[in-house]
Formats: sequence, C-alpha cells, structure tokens
Amino acid sequence: NAGVIQTPRHKVTGKGQEATLWCEPISGHSAVFWYRQTIVQGLEFLTYFRNQAPIDDSGMPKERFSAQMPNQSHSTLKIQSTQPQDSAVYLCASSLGVPGTGGYEQYFGPGTRLTVL
Amino acid sequence: GDSVIQMQGQVTLSENDFLFINCTYSTTGYPTLFWYVQYSGEGPQLLLQVTTANNKGSSRGFEATYDKGTTSFHLQKTSVQEIDSAVYYCAMRDQGNAYKVIFGKGTHLHVLP
Repeated sequence: NAGVIQTPRHKVTGKGQEATLWCEPISGHSAVFWYRQTIVQGLEFLTYFRNQAPIDDSGMPKERFSAQMPNQSHSTLKIQSTQPQDSAVYLCASSLGVPGTGGYEQYFGPGTRLTVL
Repeated sequence: GDSVIQMQGQVTLSENDFLFINCTYSTTGYPTLFWYVQYSGEGPQLLLQVTTANNKGSSRGFEATYDKGTTSFHLQKTSVQEIDSAVYYCAMRDQGNAYKVIFGKGTHLHVLP
C-alpha cells in the first residue's frame, strides 16, 4: 500500500496564476480530507468528501478555492488567482470511514508545498 | 465552539531530557483524543489515541494521559532522543462528526544532540 499520494510535492506559481493540487487516497478509503498547514495557523481543515460527495467545506475560503472528487481514486484542490498569502503546505488525508477501532483514523499524504511569488 | 489548545509553540531539549507537552480541549462530553507526530517532509501520523475507557495511551516510549477533570491531555517521554525532533499535534475527534478531527496548532520539538 503506497499510502496517500500527493502531486506535485512542490509548486511555485506567480501571483494571479491558477494552482491545481492532486491527491490519491488509499484504496478502499471512503473519506478524503484537505488541510492547509502554515507555521502561524498550524493545521487548518478545509473540506472533506465521503464516498466522493462533498460533505463539509466549512474551512474553505469562499473565493478562489474549490475542491472536487470526480472518482474514488483522486481528489483535486484548485486555487484560482493565487495570492502570496496562499503559500502553505496543503495536506490530503484519507480514512476508511467505518465504525470500529481505527476506522476513522486519518492517514496523511506528504503534502504539496505551494509557493506564490 | 470546540477547540484544542496547545500553548507551547516550540520546545528545545537536549538528549535524555524529560518531555512534557500540555494540551487542553473544549467541548461537551468526553471526546477521543489523539497525538499526531509530523517529521520533516512528511505528513502527520497518528502517534497514539486515548479514550475515557483507558485514560492512558503509550507508543514508541511516549505516554499520554487524559484528565477529564481539567479537560487536559498531556504527552510525555522520559528520555527524548534527537530522532524525536518533530512537530507534535494534539487533536480530538469532533463530537458531532466522527469523521472530523480538530487539531491544535502544534508544538515544534527540537532535540539537541
């Protein structure tokens, strides 16, 4: 099992450009989460999907950020018109999503470091 | 709202020192609590989990104790090593949604050789 895969590992964009980040969850996991990590704020929840359906996007900035999960094997986080304050590590996690020991444990990918110049 | 508070942003120790990281939580009831560890260049990984059923958890020499009276959850290790240098996150399961985890801001542990 390769774990959660995130690509690219590093992305540099110019201000105003679009950035698309990819996540491949662990096979068989029904829930996929996106977080943003900065030194100041730590780990911030953005959004999550269950069985590909968007469930909770309460952490997503209202403008410029969107997330999709077109199939069970990948999810994308898109940031339009990137700004320097969007610079962060974006982490994806997945969980099995079933009751029982460890059923809701989140497994994280290595993250994508986004730098907006 | 529900929250997890880690006051110690950074801790610097020498090898073989005692580690104690404090964490408090705010919610109704008695949530499941976690400590995650994140090594440089990797995502966070679960270090240990504690519920009110056992009140303590241990893993890789780390121990966590759940104190319902003070709504606190501490992580400790008797003798840290340089390889323990990492970011440690206290977290709790969202009482309204078993899928979600609420994280503290993390404590950067730097262990000097």
